[in-house]
Order: sequence, then C-alpha cells, then structure tokens
Amino acid sequence: GQSLEQPSEVTAVEGAIVQINCTYQTSGFYGLSWYQQHDGGAPTFLSYNGLDGLEETGRFSSFLSRSDSYGYLLLQELQMKDSASYFCAVRSDDKIIFGKGTRLHILP
Amino acid sequence: KAGVTQTPRYLIKTRGQQVTLSCSPISGHRSVSWYQQTPGQGLQFLFEYFSETQRNKGNFPGRFSGRQFSNSRSEMNVSTLELGDSALYLCASSLGDRGGEKLFFGSGTQLSVL
Repeated sequence: GQSLEQPSEVTAVEGAIVQINCTYQTSGFYGLSWYQQHDGGAPTFLSYNGLDGLEETGRFSSFLSRSDSYGYLLLQELQMKDSASYFCAVRSDDKIIFGKGTRLHILP
Repeated sequence: KAGVTQTPRYLIKTRGQQVTLSCSPISGHRSVSWYQQTPGQGLQFLFEYFSETQRNKGNFPGRFSGRQFSNSRSEMNVSTLELGDSALYLCASSLGDRGGEKLFFGSGTQLSVL
C-alpha cells in the first residue's frame, strides 16, 4: 500500500530549531514535497526533494534519503508565525498522497 | 498572475442532494487535482486531471466525479450527498510534470451536509 507517516504534533520554542520527520511507503516514487497550512488557510508549497540530500530555502531545509524511505523538514530560527500544520506528500502510482500532517506549536 | 480560484467558498446542502464545485487553475497550468480535507485526516486525494484526461483517482465512491475542460478549468461533482461528505474540498493546479512537482492550492470550498 501507499502511506506516509509523520508525527501528529511537535512543540518547540521561539528562536529554536525543529525537525519534522516523514517516512513513506510508496511505489513509483518521484520525490517528496512539503506544504504548510495555517488554520483556515490553503496549503502552500515549501520544498521538494527529488534526489537524496539537503535542499535549503531560507530558514527552511528539507532532506531526503530514498534508501531509507525517509525525509524531514527542518525549520530554523522559529517564529510565532510558523505555528501551522506541515504536510509531506509524494506522487505514487499517479496518485498524490499526503501525510496526515504535523501540528507545530511554538512557545514564546 | 492570478492564483487558483475555487467557487463557491461555502456551501450548505442536505442529504441526497448533489453539488458541483468549480476550480480555475493558474494560467498555463494543465493539471488540476482535487482533495478532501477533514480534521485529523489530512488531505485525501480524489482525482487528478491533465489535459482533460483523468490520470488517476483516489479511494472514493463513484458518487465523486470530475472533469476538466479545454481551458484547464475543472469541476467536481458529488451526487447523493451523505453527512460524511461534509469537508473542505481543495483543488490544486500545477504544470503537471511528475518530477519537481509544485502544487498551488485554491482557498477551498467548505461543504456542509445537513
């Protein structure tokens, strides 16, 4: 079957670093994407990894290990506005599969 | 560049009715995909259309259907509505290339079935 597993909730302190993990079981893997969704808002694209390694975009980085079927999103210098849900997603068998999302709580 | 537009924003229906939701993608995008989002369930893939052809569909009953027009605008239809169909329905557009995929989402249609 196809599935993506990510923690349901993560809590971190403002200014700190947090890592959100995603493990996947898919067929026909094309790459791993990450999306952010604030309450009441639409998901917005953050990052994509097609090959193994680290991709950096400002305060956000994403990592992929295809041999381990594993990836993570790293958020640095956390700000209160980063409080949101984060979803990993893959295309598998021409279906676009999303994880159930990780709710990030940030403490001042 | 205009974003993805979904209409209507909110919809209230009763059981047994049918509903049609509309999605206008970003200009130049040939792929439109649809998702159902309910609390705690993340985004569940309904179907994807690329150049008017359905690429694949998710594990939803046949009451859920869709189509895409030659201008890439897409509609999804849900017939014989059930209470469990209450959800946020999101559409996303993209260039449609399977690698390096970047989805742009609309604001969604919040459907309530009474």
